[in-house]
Amino acid sequence: GNSVTQMEGPVTLSEEAFLTINCTYTATGYPSLFWYVQYPGEGLQLLLKATKADDKGSNKGFEATYRKETTSFHLEKGSVQVSDSAVYFCALKAGAQKLVFGQGTRLTINP
Amino acid sequence: SQTIHQWPATLVQPVGSPLSLECTVEGTSNPNLYWYRQAAGRGLQLLFYSVGIGQISSEVPQNLSASRPQDRQFILSSKKLLLSDSGFYLCAWSDPAGSSYKSPLHFGNGTRLTVT
Repeated sequence: GNSVTQMEGPVTLSEEAFLTINCTYTATGYPSLFWYVQYPGEGLQLLLKATKADDKGSNKGFEATYRKETTSFHLEKGSVQVSDSAVYFCALKAGAQKLVFGQGTRLTINP
Repeated sequence: SQTIHQWPATLVQPVGSPLSLECTVEGTSNPNLYWYRQAAGRGLQLLFYSVGIGQISSEVPQNLSASRPQDRQFILSSKKLLLSDSGFYLCAWSDPAGSSYKSPLHFGNGTRLTVT
């Protein structure tokens, strides 16, 4: 079946550090890939998406590239801020209506 | 623009009591609708999804049920809550038009349910 694996958290970085959160997937067919962010006590917000191989999604300084050859969709940001502290979820959608999520990675940025 | 409303934001209920959580979407027609649950410190589990009025698909056998009485209304219910029903419940919608696998889900702000 379809599945998503994210790097284990929590991740703690200093402000202005470079961020990478790894995400790999297993899917039949050609899925769309998504990153969602969840701030404390809130629902999930769509951060970025990519719908085909080699697409790059970007938003708010975050980027992720759909790599079909490595079945990956790693999230990156060049310089993180305290306000980026949140839980990040990688997810895929493959043909059906359902979105399959990874387990989430908690990110804490220290000033 | 489309908006999604979920209520209540917080709920504390005793074991054995009934539950009704409501979700409504505005600004779109015939959306796909979803209920997810997020247990403390864990990922998101899809509970139910619906592609139209009266059409409900259940993903996990459990103590909960869902109904869609109107096009943009989705209700999560239980007749008797269990302690294990505690968690953060999220409603979401997606646009069924076009290529469905490309359409992201858009989430509400969630309901935090504590069963005591």
